[in-house]
Amino acid sequence: AQTVTQSQPEMSVQEAETVTLSCTYDTSENNYYLFWYKQPPSRQMILVIRQEAYKQQNATENRFSVNFQKAAKSFSLKISDSQLGDTAMYFCAFIVGNAGGTSYGKLTFGQGTILTVHP
Amino acid sequence: SAVISQKPSRDICQRGTSLTIQCQVDSQVTMMFWYRQQPGQSLTLIATANQGSEATYESGFVIDKFPISRPNLTFSTLTVSNMSPEDSSIYLCSVDLQGGKFQETQYFGPGTRLLVL
Repeated sequence: AQTVTQSQPEMSVQEAETVTLSCTYDTSENNYYLFWYKQPPSRQMILVIRQEAYKQQNATENRFSVNFQKAAKSFSLKISDSQLGDTAMYFCAFIVGNAGGTSYGKLTFGQGTILTVHP
Repeated sequence: SAVISQKPSRDICQRGTSLTIQCQVDSQVTMMFWYRQQPGQSLTLIATANQGSEATYESGFVIDKFPISRPNLTFSTLTVSNMSPEDSSIYLCSVDLQGGKFQETQYFGPGTRLLVL
């Protein structure tokens, strides 16, 4: 079974500063994807960034980047130049792909980290 | 991404009643998923709904409690039956836009907030 652990229930950061959210996962699979989603108070789940396990290069999306350490099963999210709109619950998630190239479809989520950006 | 809508956005229901939640997407998708998010908790997959076949339920979820329909490639419903206060949660649908390909990503609807009294 796959598990995803986010050890930081809450984080805070000043506007314009950088913050890193931690995530570790456990799996025996080789083919998988990792994701970060944000859920603002509106409760809409929004995809922030994704990482393919077979890629060594860390994914980046504008101010968001990840530090993917496959051997350590670690997948942290760095938010640069934090903005007030980044205030949200952030979820790390994991999905397994199978040998046939079709995902099983089950996203496994971590417990979430509440990020507050202060002005 | 796609535009995914859910109805209702929120509801307050009495115990023992049932509520049907609708999920509509603006493009055809192979797989649709239903998740539950209990208060202050993470998301848990209830079931996967493929068009033309019975939904596949995760451990701890049964069809009698959470019947699902998937009549076409853009629409699905989840019914929460015989509700109790423990069913108070946010229910979210998601879709896999790349439908069946390995490099898939799930996109979520806005969620339905349910309170059972």
